[in-house]
Amino acid sequence: NAGVTQTPKFQVLKTGQSMTLQCAQDMNHEYMSWYRQDPGMGLRLIHYSVGAGITDQGEVPNGYNVSRSTTEDFPLRLLSAAPSQTSVYFCASSPRATQSGYGYTFGSGTRLTVV
Amino acid sequence: SQKIEQNSEALNIQEGKTATLTCNYTNYSPAYLQWYRQDPGRGPVFLLLIRENEKEKRKERLKVTFDTTLKQSLFHITASQPADSATYLCALYTGGFKTIFGAGTRLFVKA
Repeated sequence: NAGVTQTPKFQVLKTGQSMTLQCAQDMNHEYMSWYRQDPGMGLRLIHYSVGAGITDQGEVPNGYNVSRSTTEDFPLRLLSAAPSQTSVYFCASSPRATQSGYGYTFGSGTRLTVV
Repeated sequence: SQKIEQNSEALNIQEGKTATLTCNYTNYSPAYLQWYRQDPGRGPVFLLLIRENEKEKRKERLKVTFDTTLKQSLFHITASQPADSATYLCALYTGGFKTIFGAGTRLFVKA
């Protein structure tokens, strides 16, 4: 049981480049989300999905796109990387969208640097 | 806006003592509150969830309290060990399929 798998673990981008951060879970979880974590700040929600084909914006969605074509996968796309997007990105999943009684399972993170 | 505050200063305690971490929140009445552990370079790991109608929850050496009047949760680790050294995050389910996280408190347990 792999849980939540994120790739790549590290990435350096030049300003203006685009890329996709991959996230996959094998637990048949309904809910998936992307957070970014910056020093001294809590995890901030970027986008989330309550099921295949359904996505919505979180607290800091600008500059990012998501899609959820399958239950398992929830990729995060950076459209045109900016230095302000330098951060550690975490994907998380939960059995139910309402989270009732469940915590999140997190991936190990992607450390992104934009130069 | 909703806000979660955790002590930004690291907590240093001696092995065997009880560690107590605080989570305060404003402008919200969450249905439940969660605690996570995060080690350097790793993703957070879920520890405990407590609902608004529960005053206290225990799991092995961990205890969480939830005071909705004070808008505060306390997280206790009894008989602490050096292996308990990590950052502990508080999180609130705010409804609308969203959870917000505090910045965390770093705990150091000295042998």
